[in-house]
Amino acid sequence: AQKITQTQPGMFVQEKEAVTLDCTYDTSDPSYGLFWYKQPSSGEMIFLIYQGSYDQQNATEGRYSLNFQKARKSANLVISASQLGDSAMYFCAMREGQQGAQKLVFGQGTRLTINP
Amino acid sequence: DTAVSQTPKYLVTQMGNDKSIKCEQNLGHDTMYWYKQDSKKFLKIMFSYNNKELIINETVPNRFSPKSPDKAHLNLHINSLELGDSAVYFCASSLLQGAADTQYFGPGTRLTVL
Repeated sequence: AQKITQTQPGMFVQEKEAVTLDCTYDTSDPSYGLFWYKQPSSGEMIFLIYQGSYDQQNATEGRYSLNFQKARKSANLVISASQLGDSAMYFCAMREGQQGAQKLVFGQGTRLTINP
Repeated sequence: DTAVSQTPKYLVTQMGNDKSIKCEQNLGHDTMYWYKQDSKKFLKIMFSYNNKELIINETVPNRFSPKSPDKAHLNLHINSLELGDSAVYFCASSLLQGAADTQYFGPGTRLTVL
């Protein structure tokens, strides 16, 4: 069963607009972590933002914020004031497994294209 | 200054050959990982090591053998390469296992098996 679902294979957004990338997850663990990574065309995986399941506030990092809705099991990434350099693949991931043997499980990714 | 480095960046080889990919991290992290990204961009964990000890082996064929000579290095050796092994392989590291630990990725190694 898919544990991380990203329902938007591709998105096209006008420069300077805000964009929301969707991510839903499935877990029965009370303690988990959610991550977003960016993969530009050059191929590297860049960590963007983290949200812990017990965090009371939504995580923010510069122009990135995470809209965490625990009851809905969603962890959407919001990019404000999008820039051309934001064009990339974006992956949502969840940390799962027992303490000491944890791994990241990734979604299928969303390809974001920012139009000038 | 590179935090997690991998060599080589590109690897093109014939079916049946044996090849290795090296990974080094200078972040002082205790845990290292290998992930495989297929042609559809799907990323999946293969192995993780904590302080040179194998922690996760995610049902990877035994043609793949990771080796960790010390906690800063995690190499991946692949025997008898097959066409289906063509992918991008990412090494990653994190300070500890668990808690809020973020995994930092290397630049990836694109393996092409002909």
